[in-house]
Amino acid sequence: GAGVSQSPSNKVTEKGKDVELRCDPISGHTALYWYRQSLGQGLEFLIYFQGNSAPDKSGLPSDRFSAERTGGSVSTLTIQRTQQEDSAVYLCASSFSSGLAKNIQYFGAGTRLSVL
Amino acid sequence: SQQGEEDPQALSIQEGENATMNCSYKTSINNLQWYRQNSGRGLVHLILIRSNEREKHSGRLRVTLDTSKKSSSLLITASRAADTASYFCATDDWGAQKLVFGQGTRLTINP
Repeated sequence: GAGVSQSPSNKVTEKGKDVELRCDPISGHTALYWYRQSLGQGLEFLIYFQGNSAPDKSGLPSDRFSAERTGGSVSTLTIQRTQQEDSAVYLCASSFSSGLAKNIQYFGAGTRLSVL
Repeated sequence: SQQGEEDPQALSIQEGENATMNCSYKTSINNLQWYRQNSGRGLVHLILIRSNEREKHSGRLRVTLDTSKKSSSLLITASRAADTASYFCATDDWGAQKLVFGQGTRLTINP
């Protein structure tokens, strides 16, 4: 596609429910990243996928958070038993994995999650 | 962990003036980038400067990098209302592909 696509754009859920957030990266980008951004704050790294390698999960805040990437393309971030502190904007980005441009990330518009 | 720290946190200037934002970081880096985020949207890459470069230009943007002080600055010249956004610096831990972002500078350009 033309850019990184995230869905839904907004999600309101009740505390304790599970949510799934989807990211469709730019075609040809083998690296995919998830970040969390609280209101007025910077980006907090969550997880990073690189091709067929094991993902870097070092940023996941708890075992309620998980992510997978199917077929090296679409990724889903799942938050189980949501808590109010999970409310934030979840951003996905993708990039090439080699060459001079490998560090430049292209971002989706994000999913705004509100946990009531 | 948060590597980049931007300064100031917020900046408000008149249209046509220059805007300068600073970023400090803690570890060795391969390169440093600046991104812009308009309200409610994702981040957009502006410019990348490598650790062996000291200054880089792109249109109205000028970025400097001082690796001895572990700091960078972003200068936007002749600001426009459309430059109103948050600006983030991002660094890579040497050899790593994932980026570490700062807290951002919120820039407001008043017409």
